[in-house]
Amino acid sequence: KQEVTQIPAALSVPEGENLVLNCSFTDSAIYNLQWFRQDPGKGLTSLLLIQSSQREQTSGRLNASLDKSSGRSTLYIAASQPGDSATYLCAVRVHQAGTALIFGKGTTLSVSS
Amino acid sequence: DAGVIQSPRHEVTEMGQEVTLRCKPISGHNSLFWYRQTMMRGLELLIYFNNNVPIDDSGMPEDRFSAKMPNASFSTLKIQPSEPRDSAVYFCASSFGGTTSSGANVLTFGAGSRLTVL
Repeated sequence: KQEVTQIPAALSVPEGENLVLNCSFTDSAIYNLQWFRQDPGKGLTSLLLIQSSQREQTSGRLNASLDKSSGRSTLYIAASQPGDSATYLCAVRVHQAGTALIFGKGTTLSVSS
Repeated sequence: DAGVIQSPRHEVTEMGQEVTLRCKPISGHNSLFWYRQTMMRGLELLIYFNNNVPIDDSGMPEDRFSAKMPNASFSTLKIQPSEPRDSAVYFCASSFGGTTSSGANVLTFGAGSRLTVL
């Protein structure tokens, strides 16, 4: 059974710092991996999707990497801003397209000005 | 597109009452997912549909939970009878398959329905 773990559960950094959020999964046979952001009381917003054949994806100040063989992904946030404060969730899609995502419990990030 | 639309946004009910949550996926999306989120357990998959057909309902906690997708633009999640431990935020999400289209397999979530059972 696929399990997704995110460490740390919470992280506090000062504005401007570069940071890395970690995600690990137990079964390397994944179809893709997706990073989401969730603001308090809100739904999830997709940030980046990495297909199993890809090593990384970038969007603005965000860079996500994928190492299937070791069962790991990282989300790198450059020059963090207070507006980045949110919970970041990692999710893997097993097998083929159309199957469900399995989520980690998230890392809650707080960026202070 | 207005995104995934869920209703109601908030529901407060008493134990034993029937609850129906509704979802309208993004037009053109062929997969629909129902998730439940709690502080203790995080996001849990309840059930998902491909092309209106239920594929995996192993996450549905009990027979009190049922879900339907009568057509490509509408799905319901029903709890009958409701219990206090069903209190959670219920999310609906949709996606479309494919391997080359931009946005393929990207899961888009609704804003959620916050259920409180007293």
